Amino acid sequence: AQSVAQPEDQVNVAEGNPLTVKCTYSVSGNPYLFWYVQYPNRGLQFLLKYITGDNLVKGSYGFEAEFNKSQTSFHLKKPSALVSDSALYFCAVRDMDTGRRALTFGSGTRLQVQP
Amino acid sequence: DGGITQSPKYLFRKEGQNVTLSCEQNLNHDAMYWYRQDPGQGLRLIYYSQIVNDFQKGDIAEGYSVSREKKESFPLTVTSAQKNPTAFYLCASSKAESSYNEQFFGPGTRLTVL
Repeated sequence: AQSVAQPEDQVNVAEGNPLTVKCTYSVSGNPYLFWYVQYPNRGLQFLLKYITGDNLVKGSYGFEAEFNKSQTSFHLKKPSALVSDSALYFCAVRDMDTGRRALTFGSGTRLQVQP
Repeated sequence: DGGITQSPKYLFRKEGQNVTLSCEQNLNHDAMYWYRQDPGQGLRLIYYSQIVNDFQKGDIAEGYSVSREKKESFPLTVTSAQKNPTAFYLCASSKAESSYNEQFFGPGTRLTVL
């Protein structure tokens, strides 16, 4: 079975400071990992993904994420937060070695960036 | 514009009624998905389809039904058997030739049972 944990319901950060949104995963094989962002009453927007290769993945809007296999983590980061980054962030995983072709999502982390 | 459309945006249902949520995509994607979103629970998979005329149950399929008669369309019916249908429903699609392709999401339908 595949699962994702986002241990923080909410993260608060001041504008201009670096931000981190945490994600850990569990799969029996090798993971495909994704980050999505959701603004109020909207669908999810894709930010970035890790498939293979470089552990540091760069995505949209200045976000990046670091894959750490030993810690089974895929934390989302941004060097300097903007107020407009305030939204709900979801981590998702798919086990590339199983037959299930759909993603499993975490419960989401609400990011609040204060001006 | 290419993308995924869902209708209606808001839907109200009386208890005991079936309702159908529409999802259409013009991205030429093979795979389509339905998720349910409840506060604090993230997204849970209801059904997915990798190809026309074929679909699989997700984690919470009870009380729901789907059809996939056309590549572009994947409607979801919420039946009266679904005991707690009030939620935000999201449709998504992706290329199916590789399992690492990201999913694209529609804007969602908010269903409320009166």
